[in-house]
Amino acid sequence: DQQVKQNSPSLSVQEGRISILNCDYTNSMFDYFLWYKKYPAEGPTFLISISSIKDKNEDGRFTVFLNKSAKHLSLHIVPSQPGDSAVYFCAASFMYSGGGADGLTFGKGTHLIIQP
Amino acid sequence: NAGVTQTPKFRILKIGQSMTLQCTQDMNHNYMYWYRQDPGMGLKLIYYSVGAGITDKGEVPNGYNVSRSTTEDFPLRLELAAPSQTSVYFCASSLRGDTQYFGPGTRLTVL
Repeated sequence: DQQVKQNSPSLSVQEGRISILNCDYTNSMFDYFLWYKKYPAEGPTFLISISSIKDKNEDGRFTVFLNKSAKHLSLHIVPSQPGDSAVYFCAASFMYSGGGADGLTFGKGTHLIIQP
Repeated sequence: NAGVTQTPKFRILKIGQSMTLQCTQDMNHNYMYWYRQDPGMGLKLIYYSVGAGITDKGEVPNGYNVSRSTTEDFPLRLELAAPSQTSVYFCASSLRGDTQYFGPGTRLTVL
């Protein structure tokens, strides 16, 4: 039973255009969401996160949107660059009121290909 | 500041052999985690620790053991290697348990 789903295994976008990666979750207890970027033979690199008290968070070219009622989040990359070609993982966790969490639940990833 | 380091990078084991995957972080993070990633899948939590002396099971703990005697180190032990444990193993750390920072991974093959 997948609690975090990334339904697009791959996505091809032209350089300079917007890349939109989607993620759905089923566990309503999740309240902290993250996006990681992963190159082959490397560990995941943290990109951006969002708490459930917000619906949008921006960091440079990256923006994450959260729709709690739909249990859906998306990552927008504008403009897309060749170095953005990688696998992107959506992850979620439940933060305890005193701080801390058990761990992250990951989606299967979306392979983003930026075409010149 | 090296972040999270893992050794070895690669390892081939025979069925039934044992080994320890090493993980060290120099960020003074309280939380540390072990994940495995199988081909085409997301990462799955094996074990985690909220501080020295405290460990707990994640989603897929069978066949593994951990210990946390210091803040910096969180080794993962495989006692009797099986082909199902062929995977890439990632260690991560976090200051407060929210954003996690990952090491480069250990690619393990069990034949």
